Amino acid sequence: EDKVVQSPLSLVVHEGDTVTLNCSYEVTNFRSLLWYKQEKKAPTFLFMLTSSGIEKKSGRLSSILDKKELSSILNITATQTGDSAIYLCAGSLFGGAGNMLTFGGGTRLMVKP
Amino acid sequence: DTAVSQTPKYLVTQMGNDKSIKCEQNLGHDTMYWYKQDSKKFLKIMFSYNNKELIINETVPNRFSPKSPDKAHLNLHINSLELGDSAVYFCASSQEIGSGRAVNEQFFGPGTRLTVL
Repeated sequence: EDKVVQSPLSLVVHEGDTVTLNCSYEVTNFRSLLWYKQEKKAPTFLFMLTSSGIEKKSGRLSSILDKKELSSILNITATQTGDSAIYLCAGSLFGGAGNMLTFGGGTRLMVKP
Repeated sequence: DTAVSQTPKYLVTQMGNDKSIKCEQNLGHDTMYWYKQDSKKFLKIMFSYNNKELIINETVPNRFSPKSPDKAHLNLHINSLELGDSAVYFCASSQEIGSGRAVNEQFFGPGTRLTVL
């Protein structure tokens, strides 16, 4: 069965800190790994990673995939209170109608002022 | 301007009832999905559907059925509701065929919080 595991489950930091969120996956016919941020409502897309070792960056957020280790990390530098959210990673696989995502359990990040 | 919309936002109902949740996307995407997020915030795929194929996650009870009147809509119908069906249900969509962009990116609706009493 496909499985995605995230760590830590939750994290409390202060503004300005740097955090690293981890995601490991066991997904057959793996195609890509996605990161989402979920605040109060719908998950919003952050990154999609398909190739190993290529960092994707968006402002203070960055992410990289390691296909050898079947893992990915999401880094957030100079954290702000607005970064408080649940961060979800998901593995997607080839085949079938569209793209079935298998989500991890999420990391709940709280950034204190 | 809403890309993926769902109605209702909240649904409170009694055990044993039948209910539907509607989803519409105006992104022109060809694939739509339903996810269930439980109280522990675990998000799980239920269905993936495009105009060619429906894929059902084998763990989904057959009381749940997606119905797509057209490419822009995928409604979720639930028969004989049970207490364990209480959750937030998210609809999502993506463009999977020949889009030339991030084909795996799924856009999520705002969710429907279902409470079964």
